[in-house]
This record gives sequence, C-alpha cells and structure tokens, in this order.
Amino acid sequence: NAGVTQTPKFRVLKTGQSMTLLCAQDMNHEYMYWYRQDPGMGLRLIHYSVGEGTTAKGEVPDGYNVSRLKKQNFLLGLESAAPSQTSVYFCASSYWDGYEQYFGPGTRLTVT
Amino acid sequence: GIQVEQSPPDLILQEGANSTLRCNFSDSVNNLQWFHQNPWGQLINLFYIPSGTKQNGRLSATTVATERYSLLYISSSQTTDSGVYFCAVEEGSQGNLIFGKGTKLSVKP
Repeated sequence: NAGVTQTPKFRVLKTGQSMTLLCAQDMNHEYMYWYRQDPGMGLRLIHYSVGEGTTAKGEVPDGYNVSRLKKQNFLLGLESAAPSQTSVYFCASSYWDGYEQYFGPGTRLTVT
Repeated sequence: GIQVEQSPPDLILQEGANSTLRCNFSDSVNNLQWFHQNPWGQLINLFYIPSGTKQNGRLSATTVATERYSLLYISSSQTTDSGVYFCAVEEGSQGNLIFGKGTKLSVKP
C-alpha cells in the first residue's frame, strides 16, 4: 500500500515549456487535490476533484490545468511555465469531504 | 473565506521541554488536521481532530470547535520534533483545506 505517490520528485523547466505532474493513490479515495507551497507559507489549493471525471478550481488555479480520467490518478499540467510557478507541489487524497487528507511527498519545480 | 492563524510563528526549545502550539480559525469547520513538515519537506499527518482530544505518544491535540481553536501539545521535546507544524481546516463541503502559516519549531540538544 503505497498511499499517495507523485512523479517526478524534481524538475527544472525553462520559461514557456510545458509539463505534467502525476499523482496516484491506491486507497480508492474519491477526492483528490493539488496544492502548492511557497517559501515561508502554508499550502494553497490549486485544483481539486470530487470524483472520476470531475475537476474544480481552488484558490490559485491560473496557469494550471488538471484532469482525472481515472479514479486513482490526478494530473496537473503547466502549459507555459512561468518563474512564478517555481514552487513545491503537493498532491493529496481523501475518502470524502470532511475526512482526513493524505499527502504525497511533493514535487520541487524550478522555472528559470 | 475562513482565516487560520497559528501562534507562535517561531519557537525555540531545549530538548526535554514542553510546548503548546495554537491554531485559531474564524468559522465553524468539519475537519481540522495538524501536520508536521520535517526538514526534508515531507508532510506528516499528526492528527485529524475536528473536535475533542487525541493523544499519540508525546503529542496530543485538543480542538474546541465552539470556541474556534485547536491546541497541539508536545511533551519532552526531541531534536527530531524540529520542523514546521501546520494547522489546516476544511472550508465548505468540497474538502478544501485552508492552511495556517505554520509554527517553526527548533529543538536544541
């Protein structure tokens, strides 16, 4: 039981490049989330999903897109990376709203 | 939206000391979690505690939902307790967690 895993762990992009971050969970959770953490701050919600085939915007969605084609996977895409998207990205999942959220190990992204 | 405030922002302890971290929130919540972010950046679930009291070894937490605060107690602190402690509460019914800015704890040997 791996819990929540994230791929890749580290990535460096040039401004304007695109990439996709993959989150996978093996707990059969309905809800999945993408957060970003900037230095000295708590996490902020980017997008979330309340079930397979659904997505919704969080607090800071601009510049990101997401997809949840399979229940166990939640993808975060950056179409045209900007230096302001340099951050650590965390994925999380929960059984339902109001239940405990479990976090992945994070992806450290640097955009130069 | 809901506001989450943590105090103190920084805390330095000698090994073996006890401490209390506080989390205030501005509205009623149906989910509150405490996390420890270790120096390697990993987020570790400490407690899921929307109300009541829980204990896990040297750590315990109490949430008084009616008064909109939660407390995290660390007893007999160890150097491995160092890191940032976050409180997060759920806003609305979609499971979105709103994080406080954290308390940075440094435990000196």
